Amino acid sequence: EVQLVESGGGLVQPGGSLRLSCAASGFTFSSYEMNWVRQAPGKGLEWVSYISSSGSTIYYADSVKGRFTISRDNAKNSLNLQMNSLRAEDTAVYYCARGTYSFYYWGQGTLVTVSS
Amino acid sequence: DIQMTQSPSSVSASVGDRVTITCRASQGISSWLAWYQQKPGKAPKLLIHGASSLQSGVPSRFSGSGSGTDFTLTISSLQPEDFATYYCQQADSFPRTFGQGTKVEIK
Repeated sequence: EVQLVESGGGLVQPGGSLRLSCAASGFTFSSYEMNWVRQAPGKGLEWVSYISSSGSTIYYADSVKGRFTISRDNAKNSLNLQMNSLRAEDTAVYYCARGTYSFYYWGQGTLVTVSS
Repeated sequence: DIQMTQSPSSVSASVGDRVTITCRASQGISSWLAWYQQKPGKAPKLLIHGASSLQSGVPSRFSGSGSGTDFTLTISSLQPEDFATYYCQQADSFPRTFGQGTKVEIK
């Protein structure tokens, strides 16, 4: 059974940093592209970042470019999102999602709250 | 970036009704479109990919159509478990973008 389990969310002050992780199981992690998608409270879905199976190709939304860094450790079946210079508008549930074009498998999400 | 615009933003319907949701892309995306259903507190669920291909396990009352810039999601006979928010997403290019969502509510 495919499982994606996010962790690392929490309360952080504006300007602070947080590192999210997504533990993958039930499939050959190194063969699949991965993404982060977020959802602000009461709002719609926003794609955040993509990483290819090898990690060689990466894309970001303009809203996070230069502040967030996606990475993966295929040996540990782990996807990461390093978030720096956090802003109030980054407050959201962050989901990891598997897929290149559409996203069939999603984690349960981890809540990031940026507030003083 | 490709902008995705859904309409309506909400719709009130009864069990058994036919519901149609429209998604328009700001430029042509061929058939690179997916539809998701999301219920409160849950992750989105993929319903349709490639504009019209029903994901395995999704009931056949859901269907998708369109290509280029105009797409539709149709629920042929609304069931109680279908009350949710629906999103379209373009998969033509990065950044991936979603529509703003359509909430299907009980009339």
